[in-house]
Formats: sequence, C-alpha cells, structure tokens
Amino acid sequence: SAVISQKPSRDICQRGTSLTIQCQVDSQVTMMFWYRQQPGQSLTLIATANQGSEATYESGFVIDKFPISRPNLTFSTLTVSNMSPEDSSIYLCSVGQGGGNQPQHFGDGTRLSIL
Amino acid sequence: QKEVEQDPGPLSVPEGAIVSLNCTYSNSAFQYFMWYRQYSRKGPELLMYTYSSGNKEDGRFTAQVDKSSKYISLFIRDSQPSDSATYLCAMEPGGSYIPTFGRGTSLIVHP
Repeated sequence: SAVISQKPSRDICQRGTSLTIQCQVDSQVTMMFWYRQQPGQSLTLIATANQGSEATYESGFVIDKFPISRPNLTFSTLTVSNMSPEDSSIYLCSVGQGGGNQPQHFGDGTRLSIL
Repeated sequence: QKEVEQDPGPLSVPEGAIVSLNCTYSNSAFQYFMWYRQYSRKGPELLMYTYSSGNKEDGRFTAQVDKSSKYISLFIRDSQPSDSATYLCAMEPGGSYIPTFGRGTSLIVHP
C-alpha cells in the first residue's frame, strides 16, 4: 500500500491563527480525503480533495474554515483557519484508488492543540 | 440510532486469550467491511477487508460478517500485548469509496 507522510505530526497554536497540514503520498492516487478524529469519537470526514478542482465538503464543514488544495495526484494540504479551542483534534489524511472498492489507507495524523 | 455502533471499551484481557470485537449496523446497503487497528499516536492501519457475508482469516485474525443480523466481528487468537490498540470497524455500500466508521474499541492485552 501507499506510504503517506503528514506534516507536521503535532502542533500547538494560538487562538485565531491558521495552520496548514501537508499530506504527501509516494505514488499517484485517485482519491485523497481529510478526516478529523476527536477523543472517543469515530472518524469524521471533512472533505474529499479533488485533483484540479474544488474539494467536496461534508455537511458541517466549509471551505472558508478548512480550505483544501490538491495540485497533483500525490499531494494535498488542509488549512485550519482562524482556530479556536474547539478545533483541537487529530487531523488525518487518507488515500484510496477509488476503483474496485479499494479501502482507504491513512497517514499518522496531525495532533493539533489550540490554546 | 447511529449507523454503526461499536462499544468503546476498554476491553482488558490476559495474554493468550481469544478476543472478540464487534460492531452492529443499521444500513442494509453496506457491502464492504473493514477493520482498522490504531496504535497510540499513529493513524489507522488496515487490518482486514471483506466483501459481503462470511469469514476471512489472516494469521491470528478472523473477520466475520453476518449480514442477516447486521453484525460483524473480529476475532484475535492467542492475543499478545502488542495487540493492545484501538480497533475501528468501518463499512461502505460500495461505489461511494467513503466508509462509515465505528467509534473504535480500546483493547488492552496484559502480560
């Protein structure tokens, strides 16, 4: 399976600032996703990162708060904007080939704390 | 009612025990079923992937799907302390490529 690298692995940020998380894959993949994982909760899909077009956001998530880029088939970024303590969470990047119902594979996540 | 229900645990067992982890679901359209293992400070790692009903075995791990009961299980034989992790079930109808996840069950295997 693909090797997925996320940066940074963790960060502590001040309220009102923004942080960009990077996701790099060692091979071209069809689909890239961004999830949020809060303690004791299931994974929540934020958006599907589409190569060459705007991301597809899930209910409750908006582009102004979580802008996403996907310039090519191996790289994506998620920005968490104007952060508040409620944004403290683990943010995970995942990839899938999208054909034949291939399961998703995850990076190790970014642990974000907002003071 | 959530689409996927999973007891968060923790489930604590002695080394060598047989572990049974379970999920129930309500959406009869689910066709693909997955189990992920997540160690502390790591991302979820795909452990088992099955289609429709039946059993699938991989080493000490067996995944079982009972679609008539909307119930899936992961069995771990001869459990080891290194199996201590959170286990997440996930499932999807096929075609969406976006699974629905359970909350995860925390497993502790003590020596």
